[in-house]
Amino acid sequence: DAGVIQSPRHEVTEMGQEVTLRCKPISGHDYLFWYRQTMMRGLELLIYFNNNVPIDDSGMPEDRFSAKMPNASFSTLKIQPSEPRDSAVYFCASTDGAGPYNEQFFGPGTRLTVL
Amino acid sequence: SQKIEQNSEALNIQEGKTATLTCNYTNYSPAYLQWYRQDPGRGPVFLLLIRENEKEKRKERLKVTFDTTLKQSLFHITASQPADSATYLCAPNFGTGANNLFFGTGTRLTVIP
Repeated sequence: DAGVIQSPRHEVTEMGQEVTLRCKPISGHDYLFWYRQTMMRGLELLIYFNNNVPIDDSGMPEDRFSAKMPNASFSTLKIQPSEPRDSAVYFCASTDGAGPYNEQFFGPGTRLTVL
Repeated sequence: SQKIEQNSEALNIQEGKTATLTCNYTNYSPAYLQWYRQDPGRGPVFLLLIRENEKEKRKERLKVTFDTTLKQSLFHITASQPADSATYLCAPNFGTGANNLFFGTGTRLTVIP
């Protein structure tokens, strides 16, 4: 298996522009997570899906952030409009089952820079 | 709210020595705790999991301990090698679901040849 795939790997945009990050989870995994990582705050959970349905989006910082999972093999995280404070590395992770012992498999991340 | 502290941002150690990383948490005790390794430019990779009723877990040169009284987990790498240089994240789970995983900010370990 190729693992979790994210695109793009790097994104540089200007403030006010729309940004769309993409993720393909590991086939067969029914949970998908979006995280944001910064030096100051570490890795923070933004939202997670179970069987393509958003379960908890309490970590989404503002209405400018939205996420979708139209099918089991694809998810997007959109920021509109983007702001410089959104600059961070965004990770997608997937896992098989919600049990407390399930390890999460992370993608390589998308490094977002908003100028 | 829960607070997770990892001993220091950076730890330098001589090759062959044992590296010990600390993870402290406040308030509630987690049901289990995971440790991940993260290399620059990559996502975290799962290493070990320890349950609240386990005192110690081993995997090759890695050892994790869990002390619910001290609210602390220790992560040891014995006979450390330069290839062990990375950032290590602890992730306690305070609930029963995968969404209850909270990550620390990590400790950057450098093993000096």
